[in-house]
Amino acid sequence: AQSVTQLGSHVSVSEGALVLLRCNYSSSVPPYLFWYVQYPNQGLQLLLKYTSAATLVKGINGFEAEFKKSETSFHLTKPSAHMSDAAEYFCAVSEGNSGNTPLVFGKGTRLSVIA
Amino acid sequence: DAGVTQSPTHLIKTRGQQVTLRCSPKSGHDTVSWYQQALGQGPQFIFQYYEEEERQRGNFPDRFSGHQFPNYSSELNVNALLLGDSALYLCASSLATYEQYFGPGTRLTVT
Repeated sequence: AQSVTQLGSHVSVSEGALVLLRCNYSSSVPPYLFWYVQYPNQGLQLLLKYTSAATLVKGINGFEAEFKKSETSFHLTKPSAHMSDAAEYFCAVSEGNSGNTPLVFGKGTRLSVIA
Repeated sequence: DAGVTQSPTHLIKTRGQQVTLRCSPKSGHDTVSWYQQALGQGPQFIFQYYEEEERQRGNFPDRFSGHQFPNYSSELNVNALLLGDSALYLCASSLATYEQYFGPGTRLTVT
């Protein structure tokens, strides 16, 4: 069975500081990994995805994530936080890149950005 | 192009009642998946519909059922509501190998 662990339910950074949100996964097959963002009272928006191509994945809004198989990690980073980045972030894993494959989500990390 | 839409936005039900939630997929998408997001948790997969059939199902009781119509829209039905069914219900649509697009969700409160 697949699972995702997000370390830290709440992360707080200053505006302009580095954002680092941690995600570790467990999968019996080569995983496909995703980061989603959820703004208040909204659905989930895909930030980026890893599909077994390049290990460093660039996404929208300046975010990127690096797949590290040896560490079973897929941490999300952004060099400089912006106030608009404040939201809930979810890491997810699936067994395939198909839109038909169910996603297994972590519990989420709430990012606060301090002015 | 309208994205995934869900209705209603919010609703309040009493324990033991039944509820129906609705989802219209993104234009051109033929697959609909439903997720339950309890407060403070990540979304959990309920089931997926394709060609009007339930194709995959997560670890949810039979009280949760669904339907997909010929126009690909979908309904989620929950019978005999429990307090623990209070959650945000998310619908996601997809097409073959492409990513899942999520709707804004329906907030269900069971009292």
